[in-house]
Amino acid sequence: KAGVTQTPRYLIKTRGQQVTLSCSPISGHRSVSWYQQTPGQGLQFLFEYFSETQRNKGNFPGRFSGRQFSNSRSEMNVSTLELGDSALYLCASSLTAGTGGTEAFFGQGTRLTVV
Amino acid sequence: GQQLNQSPQSMFIQEGEDVSMNCTSSSIFNTWLWYKQDPGEGPVLLIALYKAGELTSNGRLTAQFGITRKDSFLNISASIPSDVGIYFCAGKPSGSARQLTFGSGTQLTVLP
Repeated sequence: KAGVTQTPRYLIKTRGQQVTLSCSPISGHRSVSWYQQTPGQGLQFLFEYFSETQRNKGNFPGRFSGRQFSNSRSEMNVSTLELGDSALYLCASSLTAGTGGTEAFFGQGTRLTVV
Repeated sequence: GQQLNQSPQSMFIQEGEDVSMNCTSSSIFNTWLWYKQDPGEGPVLLIALYKAGELTSNGRLTAQFGITRKDSFLNISASIPSDVGIYFCAGKPSGSARQLTFGSGTQLTVLP
């Protein structure tokens, strides 16, 4: 069974550009969550999607957005990139959303560097 | 929102030693998860706990769900060099749709 797949693995963008990251969850999983990881801030929750609906949202500016498709694949978009957006972006999939006892499995992440 | 305090922040141990790290929460959780992350990779799930008092092992790893439902610990016995990495706890509170909250991580270094 394939794990969580994130593409691309590495990305370099310049300030002001926008970027789209992709996440394919484990087959059968319907919940996808996104996290930003930086050395100083640890794992920061961005948002969670379940059945194409955003269920939870973290404390990030509106430049960060996401969506989920009917096949549960998810994309996140960051517009008007800033240097501080440089981070490892992680996607996690789980069977359901908001249910106790559901493990989250992570992809390898996309390393975004903004120059 | 809920707060998760993970300690220690970093540990330097000799190969063969046992290790213990823990997480405490400001609110009640109904799920505790422990992950390990290698540099440049995503976190890998080590152990999942669902019941207060539950003690679960995975090889040399043992984790427990505290009876107050506000804490959890992870023990690693007889550490080896490949145990090096960052260990994260994560918890999910009870109630309606809530996301996982992560601890800040414990950086483990195993010295030969």
